[in-house]
Amino acid sequence: EVQLVESGGGLVQPGGSLRLSCAASGFTFNSYEMNWVRQTPGRGLEWVSTISGSGAQIWSPDSVKGRLTISRDNARNSLYLQMNSLRVEDTAIYYCARRYNRYFDLWGRGTLVTVSS
Amino acid sequence: DIVMTQIPLSLSVTPGQPASISCKSSQSLLDSDGKTYLYWYLQKPGQSPQLLIYEVSNRFSGVPDRFSGSGSGTDFTLKISRVEAEDVGVYYCMQSIQLPLTFGGGTKVEIK
Repeated sequence: EVQLVESGGGLVQPGGSLRLSCAASGFTFNSYEMNWVRQTPGRGLEWVSTISGSGAQIWSPDSVKGRLTISRDNARNSLYLQMNSLRVEDTAIYYCARRYNRYFDLWGRGTLVTVSS
Repeated sequence: DIVMTQIPLSLSVTPGQPASISCKSSQSLLDSDGKTYLYWYLQKPGQSPQLLIYEVSNRFSGVPDRFSGSGSGTDFTLKISRVEAEDVGVYYCMQSIQLPLTFGGGTKVEIK
């Protein structure tokens, strides 16, 4: 079955760190750009980061650069998001999403990250 | 950043009736390759977003033909010809002509 399954979310204090994972199955993982997209009630859907199929190229908005870092392990069919110096405003559901021809064609169910003291 | 503005914020529709959602971008989404990078997603209650329409008017695999997209440049519309109960949720437009990728704020569709 073609699917993405996120894990690693939880409660963390401001300034803390967390590492999210996304396990991919049912498709040739290294052929696709992979992404993290987050969702909050206040800000809606927000693109967090994209990584090329090889992992050589990474794109992310200025709002997360230096704090949220995407990576992948093609041998393990896995995508990661290392989250450092977390802020209250990073509280969100984080989705792993596959990108094809500039759109997200496959999404995981998401994992909730709560940043609170 | 390209700002995506959706109207209305919410919509209550009688089953079998049509519905229409507008999405306006702050910059043209027409690229030099001739493609327009505007997409529509539906997030059903309790689920992750799912792609409905790509490049303005192309239905994604498995999407019923009651869904259609139109528009050009900066003005786009998603239409549902006859709303069904399974169409409830929040609809989002998204642009991918330029980074950062940005989404509209969403339009919540409910059934009367």
